[in-house]
Parts: sequence; structure tokens; C-alpha cells
Amino acid sequence: NAGVTQTPKFQVLKTGQSMTLQCAQDMNHNSMYWYRQDPGMGLRLIYYSASEGTTDKGEVPNGYNVSRLNKREFSLRLESAAPSQTSVYFCASRVTGVYEQYFGPGTRLTVT
Amino acid sequence: QKEVEQDPGPLSVPEGAIVSLNCTYSNSAFQYFMWYRQYSRKGPELLMYTYSSGNKEDGRFTAQVDKSSKYISLFIRDSQPSDSATYLCAPISNFGNEKLTFGTGTRLTIIP
Repeated sequence: NAGVTQTPKFQVLKTGQSMTLQCAQDMNHNSMYWYRQDPGMGLRLIYYSASEGTTDKGEVPNGYNVSRLNKREFSLRLESAAPSQTSVYFCASRVTGVYEQYFGPGTRLTVT
Repeated sequence: QKEVEQDPGPLSVPEGAIVSLNCTYSNSAFQYFMWYRQYSRKGPELLMYTYSSGNKEDGRFTAQVDKSSKYISLFIRDSQPSDSATYLCAPISNFGNEKLTFGTGTRLTIIP
């Protein structure tokens, strides 16, 4: 059981470039989440997906899009990266209605 | 006002000391109170959770909730260097709610 995996681990982008962060879980969880973590701001929810085929905005969705490709995979896309999107991005999953969220190892993104 | 406030620290204490980590919250609907632990350059992992007011003990860790003052605490007894991490509180109203609100986290260092 790999749990929640994220790729890439590190990425440097120039302003205006696009990229997709990948997330996959092998725990058969219904719900998946994307967070960003910034110093002094804690974890903030970007988007979440309560089930395959559904996605909803979180606290800070602007500048991002997501795709719930299937039950296992949930990707986060930056269409035109900005320096304000420099952050550590975490994917998480859980069984709907159960309290524990399982987090991936994170992707460290720098936008110059 | 943020829904969840947490002193970011950093907090440094000698090995063996009792550590107290605290959060305050503003949403009266919160009923479940979780603590996540995050080691450096890793994703958060659930440490423990409590329901409503009262105490819950798990080994060297005790979680305490005072709903009347909207105050959450995590106590660590006989602190160890392996407890050095960032601790995030995360209250939620019910587990059907997809949106989890995290505190900013308190960075703790246990000095050998």
C-alpha cells in the first residue's frame, strides 16, 4: 500500500508557465483534496472532490483547476503560474464520513 | 477573525518537559477536534481526536477541549526529541463536512 502519492516532488516554473500536479491514492477513498501550505497561513483548501465526477471549490481556488480522473486520481492544474503560487502543495484523501485524512508527501513549487 | 487561531511558535523545550499546545476557534458548530502532527518536509498525519468537551489520553499525549471558552489544548508529557514537529489543530462540525479548517500550526523543538 503506497497510500497517497504525489508527483513531482519539486518543480520550478517561470511566471506564465503551466503545469499539472498529480495525485493518486490506493486506499479506495471517496474523497480527495488539494491544499497549499504557506508560512504563517497553515493549510488552506484549494479544491476537493467528494466522489468521482464531482469537484468543489475550497478556500483559495483562484488560479487553479482540478480533474477527478477516476476514483484513484485527482490532479491540480496551474494554467498560468504566478509567484504568489509558490507554495508546498499537499494532496489528501479519506473515506467519506470518517474523520481521518491521509496526506501525500507534498510538492514544493517555486514560481520565479 | 480566522475560524481557528493557533500560536505559530516556534516553541523550544528541554527533553522531558511537559508541552502545552493551544488553539482557539470561533465556530460554535465545531464538535470534533483533531490534532495533526507534521514532521519537517512531510505531509501531516493524524495524531488524535476528541469529541465535544473533555479530555482524551493516548500514551504521552492528552487532548483537551473546553467548548465554553472555545479552547483546544494538546499536552505532551515526558517530551522526546522525536516529538519535534509542527502540530496543527483541526476542528470540524461533522464528518460529513468535506471542508476541514486547519490552524496555522505550532512548530515544536525538543532539545536533548
